Parts: sequence; C-alpha cells; structure tokens
Amino acid sequence: KQEVTQIPAALSVPEGENLVLNCSFTDSAIYNLQWFRQDPGKGLTSLLLIQSSQREQTSGRLNASLDKSSGRSTLYIAASQPGDSATYLCAVAYSNYQLIWGAGTKLIIKP
Amino acid sequence: DAGVIQSPRHEVTEMGQEVTLRCKPISGHNSLFWYRQTMMRGLELLIYFNNNVPIDDSGMPEDRFSAKMPNASFSTLKIQPSEPRDSAVYFCASSLGPGSYEQYFGPGTRLTVT
Repeated sequence: KQEVTQIPAALSVPEGENLVLNCSFTDSAIYNLQWFRQDPGKGLTSLLLIQSSQREQTSGRLNASLDKSSGRSTLYIAASQPGDSATYLCAVAYSNYQLIWGAGTKLIIKP
Repeated sequence: DAGVIQSPRHEVTEMGQEVTLRCKPISGHNSLFWYRQTMMRGLELLIYFNNNVPIDDSGMPEDRFSAKMPNASFSTLKIQPSEPRDSAVYFCASSLGPGSYEQYFGPGTRLTVT
C-alpha cells in the first residue's frame, strides 16, 4: 500500500531558526512530489514540486530535496519567520493525476 | 490570473437539502480535481476530470454525490440529499494537464450540514 508519512505532526521553534520538515513514502516509483502549505481556514498553496528525476528544488528560503531510494523528502526552511507558521503537507504522485497525501506538520514560529 | 475560484465559500444547509458547489479553474488548465478535507480522513480525491471528461470518480463516496464539467471553465459538485457526515471543506484544484504538473487549489467551500 502506498503511504506518505510526515513526522513530526507538530513543531514549534523560535523565530530565526533553520528547520527541516520530513516526508517519507513507501513506494519509490513516484511521478513527482509536491510540498504545500495550508493556513488555517484557507486553501492549499503549492510551494515546490520535485520531479522524479530531480534531487532538489529551491524557492527563496525554501529548499526541498528528494531521495527516492530511501523514500524520503525534506523541506528546509531557512531563517524562519512568524509568517511561516502554517501546516505543511507533502503529496506524492504515483500516477499522472493521483496524489497520496501526508497528514501534515503543523509549524509554529514563535516571535 | 485570479487562480482557482470557488463558490460559495461557506454553505450551511439542513439535512436532506441539495447542495451545489462551483469551481472555475485557471484558464488554460486542462485537468480539474475535486477534493474533500476532514480532520478524520485528511484530503481525499473525489473526482478527476481531464479535458472536461471524468476520468476517475472512484473517490465519490456514494450516489448522492455527482459532478459535472460542461465546459473548460466551469465545474459543479452536487450533493443530493445532503447528510451531516458530508460536512467538510471541499476543494477544487486545477493543473495544466495529467503528468508532472503542479496542482493549484482554490480557497475551498466549507460545508456544514445540520
């Protein structure tokens, strides 16, 4: 069964720290992996998409890596800010449209 | 572009009533998705359209749920009759097409069935 796991479920860190969110998946035959953020009561915002052939993607203070052999992806956030507080979701595509979702990591950045 | 547009943003209705949720995908996107999000089950794909054709509706919970996409710029998700267990946030998302493309989500419709 294809499963996506995100650990920890919640994380609280002081402002300014660098942090890493983890995503693991059971089946390495993926199309791509996408990281989203969700603010309370809001929709999902796509942050980064890593294709199966790629090792990492960067956007501003965010860097996502992909290691298919170990079934892992990490989202690195540099110099965290209170505005980064949100739930971060990892989604793995195993077909050309179906995403398997992690349960998310709720991130709180303390001022 | 305005992004994916959904309406209404909030819907409160009584059990047994018909509910219609609406979605306008990003112009030029050929794939459209309807998702449901609950605390218990997380995000679930309900139905996927490509070029206005339903490709996978295996996630539609039961016959009370139906979805249509009459043209490339409009889709509806209908629940008839609604039940309290249908209470959830319903998201519409679109992408350029099948394959390795990002999915862009709308703001969602929060449905409460009393």
